[in-house]
Amino acid sequence: DAKTTQPPSMDCAEGRAANLPCNHSTISGNEYVYWYRQIHSQGPQYIIHGLKNNETNEMASLIITEDRKSSTLILPHATLRDTAVYYCIVRVVAGANSKLTFGKGITLSVRP
Amino acid sequence: DAGITQSPRHKVTETGTPVTLRCHQTENHRYMYWYRQDPGHGLRLIHYSYGVKDTDKGEVSDGYSVSRSKTEDFLLTLESATSSQTSVYFCAIDGPTSQETQYFGPGTRLLVL
Repeated sequence: DAKTTQPPSMDCAEGRAANLPCNHSTISGNEYVYWYRQIHSQGPQYIIHGLKNNETNEMASLIITEDRKSSTLILPHATLRDTAVYYCIVRVVAGANSKLTFGKGITLSVRP
Repeated sequence: DAGITQSPRHKVTETGTPVTLRCHQTENHRYMYWYRQDPGHGLRLIHYSYGVKDTDKGEVSDGYSVSRSKTEDFLLTLESATSSQTSVYFCAIDGPTSQETQYFGPGTRLLVL
């Protein structure tokens, strides 16, 4: 699996959009971009994933650049409960080797 | 959360004793995984299973063994626990299709004294 790089931390104000960047410059054509988050030692929670088109669900939006070398996770209206570690992961989905490789993630702190 | 339970949720044991952690799913999914999480390392894959009696090693498998005799249960065994195995252990399952994400259990906190 290709590696990803994320800044170690960022913060944003409650109610504002949180834009979390991720670089994955060595991503292969068959690798998807996944985002997870982990709130205070709970199990990681799936947020969203995409291949090359932008995606949106009830939790967040995922913007993937046209060359697929980077992406941004957008939490449109951050709340205090969004304070967590966010992991950007690239993953080959098909086949037996569908393991997730977690990096250190980015710690998002939402301030009141 | 996707019908995954882990037991026990907390355990304290002594060095040299055997320990077995259990992951149970109600989703009938094929793939199951064991990760450990330690400060400064994120989550690291220990072992995974792609079916009953079919398992393979992850990146930190030394000192651990696994078994899967039923689709719903994936057991992680520390044959002789060491202090370096003090960690939080997470089980995960894949969804029913190839694009489905992994869903994680609540974790087991293990302290080896």
